[in-house]
Amino acid sequence: DAKTTQPPSMDCAEGRAANLPCNHSTISGNEYVYWYRQIHSQGPQYIIHGLKNNETNEMASLIITEDRKSSTLILPHATLRDTAVYYCIVRGSIQGAQKLVFGQGTRLTINP
Amino acid sequence: DVKVTQSSRYLVKRTGEKVFLECVQDMDHENMFWYRQDPGLGLRLIYFSYDVKMKEKGDIPEGYSVSREKKERFSLILESASTNQTSMYLCASSRQGTETQYFGPGTRLLVL
Repeated sequence: DAKTTQPPSMDCAEGRAANLPCNHSTISGNEYVYWYRQIHSQGPQYIIHGLKNNETNEMASLIITEDRKSSTLILPHATLRDTAVYYCIVRGSIQGAQKLVFGQGTRLTINP
Repeated sequence: DVKVTQSSRYLVKRTGEKVFLECVQDMDHENMFWYRQDPGLGLRLIYFSYDVKMKEKGDIPEGYSVSREKKERFSLILESASTNQTSMYLCASSRQGTETQYFGPGTRLLVL
């Protein structure tokens, strides 16, 4: 599995866009970039994923660089409820199922 | 709305007890997973299952067993609980051929 590198922590003001970077320089051609988050004492929550094109859904946008060695998760209008640890993951596979390998993530704090 | 439920949010057991952690998903997913999460160690895969009655070892299966008698239910069993099994246990499920995993709320187990 490709290793990912994220800053350990970030702060963002409520209502502003939160931009969370992730480096995955050893990603291989058929590996996807996934983002999950985990609010304190809850299970992880899927946010978004992509292969090479930028993606957007109701929660966030994902921008992947052309060389695929890094990506940025964008929360366009952060709220206090977005305070969580955000994990950038590159898919790992075992036979027919898909193992997720979480790193240390980025602890995002949204400030009022 | 997708839903993964776990039988308990908090559990306290004594060393040597047999412990059952139950997970149920209502999405008709083929794949189910058990992870444990510990501070500084991230998420680690214990066991997974890609079909009824099928199971595969993850990265840290020692001390654990699993059971998948029905598609929607995946049970994690600690045959003889030990203090080093104190942890947050997370169940997840995914549809065959897709990468997105949906997590339950977690069970925080304390073994005394």
